[in-house]
Amino acid sequence: AQSVTQPDIHITVSEGASLELRCNYSYGATPYLFWYVQSPGQGLQLLLKYFSGDTLVQGIKGFEAEFKRSQSSFNLRKPSVHWSDAAEYFCAVGPRASGYALNFGKGTSLLVTP
Amino acid sequence: EAQVTQNPRYLITVTGKKLTVTCSQNMNHEYMSWYRQDPGLGLRQIYYSMNVEVTDKGDVPEGYKVSRKEKRNFPLILESPSPNQTSLYFCASSTGQGRQPQHFGDGTRLSIL
Repeated sequence: AQSVTQPDIHITVSEGASLELRCNYSYGATPYLFWYVQSPGQGLQLLLKYFSGDTLVQGIKGFEAEFKRSQSSFNLRKPSVHWSDAAEYFCAVGPRASGYALNFGKGTSLLVTP
Repeated sequence: EAQVTQNPRYLITVTGKKLTVTCSQNMNHEYMSWYRQDPGLGLRQIYYSMNVEVTDKGDVPEGYKVSRKEKRNFPLILESPSPNQTSLYFCASSTGQGRQPQHFGDGTRLSIL
């Protein structure tokens, strides 16, 4: 069965510290992979995506993610967190075949402390 | 400005009273979809549409209907709402490349009493 797991429901980091949000997936084949961010009261914004090629993907707002096929993981990282990064983060996977069904993880809530 | 516009943003209604949540995008995107977001469950896809007159079920389609008569509009219809449809709903759109949702609306919070 297809699934996306974000093991951490909540994460707290200090402003300026590095960040890594974990995402693991279970899929029949290598899917398309995405990270989204949701600020309070707003819709989701696409941070970055992986389709193929270089396994280290750069996104907006200084985020990057690394696809590791052997670990079925697509972890999101940022070297130095800003207070404005506090939000909910969602990992999502989608099939390479035709269709338009994305599976989302349950999200990780990021709290940034001064 | 690229936008996905949902209306209403908030709605409180009663069981069984038909309602429609509208969604409109101004980017000429082929793909549109509806999601519901519930605490602890993340986002789950309700329906999606790959183009005009082409729709298909997502993961949780029961109790919902959609239509895609025009490219820009993708309304979500609850014919007989029930309390378990109380949720936060998002409409999203994208171009053909990758097909992932590129633009989300700001959400519609529905409360069914």
